[in-house]
Amino acid sequence: AQTVTQSQPEMSVQEAETVTLSCTYDTSESDYYLFWYKQPPSRQMILVIRQEAYKQQNATENRFSVNFQKAAKSFSLKISDSQLGDAAMYFCACITGGTSYGKLTFGQGTILTVHP
Amino acid sequence: SAVISQKPSRDICQRGTSLTIQCQVDSQVTMMFWYRQQPGQSLTLIATANQGSEATYESGFVIDKFPISRPNLTFSTLTVSNMSPEDSSIYLCSVVVGLSTDTQYFGPGTRLTVL
Repeated sequence: AQTVTQSQPEMSVQEAETVTLSCTYDTSESDYYLFWYKQPPSRQMILVIRQEAYKQQNATENRFSVNFQKAAKSFSLKISDSQLGDAAMYFCACITGGTSYGKLTFGQGTILTVHP
Repeated sequence: SAVISQKPSRDICQRGTSLTIQCQVDSQVTMMFWYRQQPGQSLTLIATANQGSEATYESGFVIDKFPISRPNLTFSTLTVSNMSPEDSSIYLCSVVVGLSTDTQYFGPGTRLTVL
């Protein structure tokens, strides 16, 4: 079974600034994928970014990028040029193959506040 | 991705009653899942909805409490039975689309309050 830990319950950032959200994970599987999801007050879970464990290159989606450190089992999310619409709960998640196939394991979440 | 809808979007129910939540997708999907998000908490997988067969439940969740149906590749229901206030949560369905079996897309969720 895998575990995902987000050690920052809350973070804040000024509009247009950059913020980094931390995530660590643990799994015994060699085949796994990592995700960041965003959940605004509307409660819709929105996929932000996806990283395959076998790829060394960090995933990037517009203003969102990750720092994937496989040996350290770390998967942080960097949001550049923060916007008011980025305010939400952010969840880090992991999915593996093997016996846990299809099971997304989520971290506890980080509430991001964006100040104008 | 896919367009996923859930009904109802929210409901307030009395204890001891049951509520059925529907999840509809605009295209055929490989896998469908149901999650629970208790107030202020993260998401926990309830079960995998299998098309044409019984759902696969995670530890701590049982079919008598959370019966699930999936009659075809685009639709599933989750029933929360004999509700108590502890069942007050957001219930979300998610789907896996096509061959990318690792990425799940979520429905808008159903906010359930049990009095």
